[in-house]
Parts: sequence; C-alpha cells; structure tokens
Amino acid sequence: GDSVTQMEGPVTLSEEAFLTINCTYTATGYPSLFWYVQYPGEGLQLLLKATKADDKGSNKGFEATYRKETTSFHLEKGSVQVSDSAVYFCALRSSGGYQKVTFGTGTKLQVIP
Amino acid sequence: NAGVTQTPKFRILKIGQSMTLQCTQDMNHNYMYWYRQDPGMGLKLIYYSVGAGITDKGEVPNGYNVSRSTTEDFPLRLELAAPSQTSVYFCASSYSGRGLSGANVLTFGAGSRLTVL
Repeated sequence: GDSVTQMEGPVTLSEEAFLTINCTYTATGYPSLFWYVQYPGEGLQLLLKATKADDKGSNKGFEATYRKETTSFHLEKGSVQVSDSAVYFCALRSSGGYQKVTFGTGTKLQVIP
Repeated sequence: NAGVTQTPKFRILKIGQSMTLQCTQDMNHNYMYWYRQDPGMGLKLIYYSVGAGITDKGEVPNGYNVSRSTTEDFPLRLELAAPSQTSVYFCASSYSGRGLSGANVLTFGAGSRLTVL
C-alpha cells in the first residue's frame, strides 16, 4: 500500500539557517504530494502541493519539488524564522480509488533566535 | 467562513462511557474524514465519507462509528471508551475534482483532545 517516510525530528535550527526536511513515498500510479503544517494547538493546514512529476510547490518561502525518479518531495526553506516553528507533515493522495490520503509521522521544527 | 468546526475541544471520559465528537463544515465539501493523532505516530484514518449517506472504514475503525446524514455533518461515536482511545481527533473535509485548484486539499478542524481514564 501507499506509504510516506519523513525524517525523524525534532529538528532545531538557528534563525536564518537553511532548512531541509526529507520526504520519500511509495505509491502506485501518479499520486499528488502535499506538505501540511501544524502550529501548536491547531489543526493541520496546507503549506504547499504538487500534482505531477517535476512540479514545484511553493508558499511562504518554502519549496518542494515532485521527483518521481527518486520518489521524493523534500521540503526546503532558505532562511527560517522563529515563526516557522511547527510540525511539518508530508502526505500523498493516491491517484485511484476514493483518493485516500496517507500522512508521514511528522517532523517537529524548532527555530531558536 | 467557519470552515471545519469540531466540538468539544477537550473531554475526559471514564472507561466504558460513550460520547460523540461533532464535526460540521460549511464549505459544501463532499468528502469528510476522521483522523486520530497519537504522539510520534502521525495521523491515522478512522473513517471517511464520500457524500451524504456513504461512509467507509479507514485504517483504525475499531471502537468507533460514524454517520453522514447531511453534507455538512459527520459525527464520530465512541461506544465503550477505552484508554487506547486517548488521542487527539481531527475532522477534515475536501472536495473532489480534477483540474480545480483547491480540489483534493484537506481542510482540518482545530482538533478534539480526548482522555480516557
């Protein structure tokens, strides 16, 4: 079945550091890929998405590129801020059936001043 | 827009008690979902619905029931609460549709934290 693997956390960075959170997936067909973010005490919200190979999703300075050859969707940001501290979830939506969404286990990011 | 509204936000139950977590969305989404989030375990799908009157099991349905009598509402019922059901529960919704920019993106509620003692 479908699965999403993302790097273990927590990740602690200083403000203005470069961020990479790795995400790889296993799926049949052509899934859509997503990054969701969860701020403390809140529900998840969409950060960015990509629906086909080589698409780049971007939002709020974050980027991720859909790499079918390596089955990856790594999240990057050039300069993190304290306000980026949150839990980040990689997810995929299968291309068949009822459009099942599978989530990774989440990576907690803490940015210190 | 209210989006997805969940109630209650917090609840403590005794073993064997029953309760219903309420979920309402005002976006006319056809798909609705219930997830549970355990520490370090990501989100697990409990039940989902593709439209009013249609529900199906997800990965971890045991101990739960759902109904979908209207497009807006998707309540989750716990019949005999057990400590293993201590978790944070999230309701989410989405609409299907190829080529539509917001399609297939989940909108989540703020969550309901349930403790079973």
